[in-house]
Amino acid sequence: QITLKESGPTLVKPTQTLTLTCTFSGFSLTTSGVGVGWIRQPPGEALEWLALIYWDDDRRYSPSLRSRLTITKDTSKNQVVLTMTNMDPVDTATYYCAQSKYYAFPFDNWGQGTLVTVSS
Amino acid sequence: DIQMTQSPSSLSASVGDRVTITCRASQGISNYLAWYQQKPGKVPNLLIRAASTLQSGVPSRFSGSGSGTDFTLTISSLQPEDVATYYCQNYNSARFTFGPGTKVDLK
Repeated sequence: QITLKESGPTLVKPTQTLTLTCTFSGFSLTTSGVGVGWIRQPPGEALEWLALIYWDDDRRYSPSLRSRLTITKDTSKNQVVLTMTNMDPVDTATYYCAQSKYYAFPFDNWGQGTLVTVSS
Repeated sequence: DIQMTQSPSSLSASVGDRVTITCRASQGISNYLAWYQQKPGKVPNLLIRAASTLQSGVPSRFSGSGSGTDFTLTISSLQPEDVATYYCQNYNSARFTFGPGTKVDLK
């Protein structure tokens, strides 16, 4: 059974850096083709893809947020970490991590999401 | 960058109606197109990948078609449990852009 779970702060202040961790089980990020991505969804709004990291450490970022994002993996811990700098209230959203089971494959397993609020 | 648009943004239909949602990519994406269903308060669920391949467990009333820039999600006979927002997504290897979503509810 594949599971993913997001963890991190629920409240961050403007200008701070957000660090979110996705801890997963049921698959390995050392398996060829596998990727883990991050997606966010502001309250009442649409899904927005943020970043994805592949088994081979290939990293992809949303062009509009690339300068603020870093995605890394720790295969020994089955974790993927997303950092987003210079947080703003407009970044308030539910942040999801999700698995892409093959290269160039959509997200077929998702975490439950974690709501991050940006406020002073 | 590839932009994804959807129409309509929302629709109301009766149980049993045929529902069609359109997704358009700003440039050709072959068949790297997925559809997700997100019910209120729930996590998105992958319905269709490769434009027309139904995921295991997805009811056969759902179907997808298209290639290149124009894609369609069809619900052949709308059921109450289909009330949700539907998102298309381009997932070629470089980008994973979502469309703005189409909210489907019952008339």
